[in-house]
Amino acid sequence: DAKTTQPTSMDCAEGRAANLPCNHSTISGNEYVYWYRQIHSQGPQYIIHGLKNNETNEMASLIITEDRKSSTLILPHATLRDTAVYYCIVRLTSGTYKYIFGTGTRLKVLA
Amino acid sequence: DADVTQTPRNRITKTGKRIMLECSQTKGHDRMYWYRQDPGLGLRLIYYSFDVKDINKGEISDGYSVSRQAQAKFSLSLESAIPNQTALYFCATSDTGTSLNEQFFGPGTRLTVL
Repeated sequence: DAKTTQPTSMDCAEGRAANLPCNHSTISGNEYVYWYRQIHSQGPQYIIHGLKNNETNEMASLIITEDRKSSTLILPHATLRDTAVYYCIVRLTSGTYKYIFGTGTRLKVLA
Repeated sequence: DADVTQTPRNRITKTGKRIMLECSQTKGHDRMYWYRQDPGLGLRLIYYSFDVKDINKGEISDGYSVSRQAQAKFSLSLESAIPNQTALYFCATSDTGTSLNEQFFGPGTRLTVL
């Protein structure tokens, strides 16, 4: 099962881009990378996902390296409400669609 | 109204008691999941169900059981609660019909076993 490695914590100034890295060196060719975030102790919230190509939606951008061994989630203009724990997850492809959550990155956006 | 609801939101119980946590969803999703979260850690999968007749163990199913009473309802039971089952429990759902597999989480149940 592919696992992910993320920094424990990061700070970002309000209004600046927040770049959250993730390593997934054992990812398989048909496994997706997903990002979720958890604000306080609420249920996690989906942000974005990708396979090979870079992806962008209204919340964030996802940059996946060509070898797919790492990715970066970009919040283009971080706000105080983006303070949360961000989880990078590789979706298993055994037909079960299970997520394996790591410990995530605690992002603190500073005023 | 919330799409995924959990009851109770908070529960304090004693060692050895039987506890049931309930999850209901109005999203019409086939797939439902139960996770637990310990302080400072990510979520770990306890059980999951892909339809009413399908129940599967996750990473940490020992000490837990589940029941899928209907498409919209998925209950988690602790037959004899122990203190190390003190945790935050989340229910989630996802849609079979897409490859996205975005999971929608409930608000969580905070369980304390004394």
